[in-house]
Amino acid sequence: NAGVTQTPKFQVLKTGQSMTLQCAQDMNHEYMSWYRQDPGMGLRLIHYSVGAGITDQGEVPNGYNVSRSTTEDFPLRLLSAAPSQTSVYFCASSYSNRVNNEQFFGPGTRLTVL
Amino acid sequence: AQKVTQAQTEISVVEKEDVTLDCVYETRDTTYYLFWYKQPPSGELVFLIRRNSFDEQNEISGRYSWNFQKSTSSFNFTITASQVVDSAVYFCALSAFTGGGNKLTFGTGTQLKVEL
Repeated sequence: NAGVTQTPKFQVLKTGQSMTLQCAQDMNHEYMSWYRQDPGMGLRLIHYSVGAGITDQGEVPNGYNVSRSTTEDFPLRLLSAAPSQTSVYFCASSYSNRVNNEQFFGPGTRLTVL
Repeated sequence: AQKVTQAQTEISVVEKEDVTLDCVYETRDTTYYLFWYKQPPSGELVFLIRRNSFDEQNEISGRYSWNFQKSTSSFNFTITASQVVDSAVYFCALSAFTGGGNKLTFGTGTQLKVEL
């Protein structure tokens, strides 16, 4: 199993550009989520999905869109990038939405918005 | 609302010293889970331990041990005989039912530097 994969690993954007961060998992997990990590702030939840076709907002959803058309994929879209979105983005998945489920994290995408 | 506090921003120790990383949490749920993750310089997040709110037994795994005390809402992490390879950022996290199921609330992390 590849686990949770994310592409790209690094990305530089100009303000106003759009892009999609890709996330895929091959563990047949129902629950997937996106976090951003900023210095001194830990990881904060952006969006999450409890299954294909179902998404919801997390703590910091503004400026991001998600969709979940398949169990395996959970892309994160930045429609108009802003410097405040410079961060490291982690995708995670777990078997279900139960509180005891361990979340498996991808390797992260480091995004810089100029 | 859930909250996790890691008051120690950075800790520096000399190899072979013992070090304890503090974690204090807040939740109104009676059922919740606590986690520790390690983030080495390479950047990935490595799961270390999960503990549920009904199990206050201390856990030991090799040089790692965890002390869970509900009375003080703390879940501290001790590394015995630290090694340079332990240098990393360590995150404590919480998930609870009213937090929305499996949504993790993270602390701000503790940067551990182990020097020779």
